[in-house]
Amino acid sequence: DTAVSQTPKYLVTQMGNDKSIKCEQNLGHDTMYWYKQDSKKFLKIMFSYNNKELIINETVPNRFSPKSPDKAHLNLHINSLELGDSAVYFCASSPSFGTGDSYGYTFGSGTRLTVV
Amino acid sequence: AQKITQTQPGMFVQEKEAVTLDCTYDTSDPSYGLFWYKQPSSGEMIFLIYQGSYDQQNATEGRYSLNFQKARKSANLVISASQLGDSAMYFCAMRGISYNTDKLIFGTGTRLQVFP
Repeated sequence: DTAVSQTPKYLVTQMGNDKSIKCEQNLGHDTMYWYKQDSKKFLKIMFSYNNKELIINETVPNRFSPKSPDKAHLNLHINSLELGDSAVYFCASSPSFGTGDSYGYTFGSGTRLTVV
Repeated sequence: AQKITQTQPGMFVQEKEAVTLDCTYDTSDPSYGLFWYKQPSSGEMIFLIYQGSYDQQNATEGRYSLNFQKARKSANLVISASQLGDSAMYFCAMRGISYNTDKLIFGTGTRLQVFP
């Protein structure tokens, strides 16, 4: 069973379209995240949710809207896609800090978004 | 502010040799965790090793060890007996242990190439 699964793996779309990426984790973790990896491989956090509550929003444009219907799911909806949104988007989950031994993050396999 | 610095954009190592990937960090958090992740060309993020800031001993996981020098704020990854399959991007990361800053901050990565 995949611990953190995200769909789709690849997404090619035209500028101006709206798209969603879904993420699910079966690890029982309380916290979930979205990260963006740019063309230079730099990984930057976008959002974090703890038990469905938004904790971190790292100055991401309003066109990006995360939604967490329950603590096992965190979806990312992107409106009016732009060329600069092309990147790999990773979902991740972790136990809340203060629980577990290593506070490690488990990452999904990533979604490669290409805007043309 | 938290920061991770990886000064080696690329490293070469011969198979069966050891290699050290450098990482320095900066944080004002009293407690934090340091991580290394591997990203092969297939794109997934693979957790390698974790070091807690209060851990007295350096972490080891099979061929991976973390050379933790707290006073120098460095957390170098040592890979012993390199294998061709170790060729990948390697990211150093840090997690601060406080609620509002509970996020994993990444360095810019080091691309390791292992040659026969």
